[in-house]
Amino acid sequence: EAGVAQSPRYKIIEKRQSVAFWCNPISGHATLYWYQQILGQGPKLLIQFQNNGVVDDSQLPKDRFSAERLKGVDSTLKIQPAKLEDSAVYLCASSLRIEQFFGPGTRLTVL
Amino acid sequence: RKEVEQDPGPFNVPEGATVAFNCTYSNSASQSFFWYRQDCRKEPKLLMSVYSSGNEDGRFTAQLNRASQYISLLIRDSKLSDSATYLCAVKGAGSYQLTFGKGTKLSVIP
Repeated sequence: EAGVAQSPRYKIIEKRQSVAFWCNPISGHATLYWYQQILGQGPKLLIQFQNNGVVDDSQLPKDRFSAERLKGVDSTLKIQPAKLEDSAVYLCASSLRIEQFFGPGTRLTVL
Repeated sequence: RKEVEQDPGPFNVPEGATVAFNCTYSNSASQSFFWYRQDCRKEPKLLMSVYSSGNEDGRFTAQLNRASQYISLLIRDSKLSDSATYLCAVKGAGSYQLTFGKGTKLSVIP
């Protein structure tokens, strides 16, 4: 069974630029999550989708972050404009029920 | 008090040793508990779900103590390949949202 796919794996941008990350969940998984993991910390949930609807985006900095899940499958997370403190690994996860499975992440460096 | 707290670590143990990690959670309504393993520069991988009765998978044993609001992970006969960061995760009531601890780094030394 294919796992969660993410791209790109690495991205380096300058502050105030825009960036987008893509995620394809495990086939059949209705729930999709985006997490931010800063070095030395555990993953922090940014947004949770159930099919193509948002379940929880309470920790998403909505002034600069946006996310969508078209047709309830793939998802994109965008940052516009990026700040230095956005440097982190952005992890996508999906679940069928309770257990979540993570993709390899996108490592973002903001200079 | 943080929602999920873990032993600060790092833990440096010799091969063959037994090591235990604890994780405390603040929300008494939490329903599900997990241990994830994260290798350096890799994604978290689910190691074990933690059941009320406790569960064991080979050298790994997980326990839940609802009264004291903590979960534990015991690793017996440590291997070099066990070196990683171990994250505990807690799911609240009524949602699939997981809250993670900061993780505890384990280094198994030859």
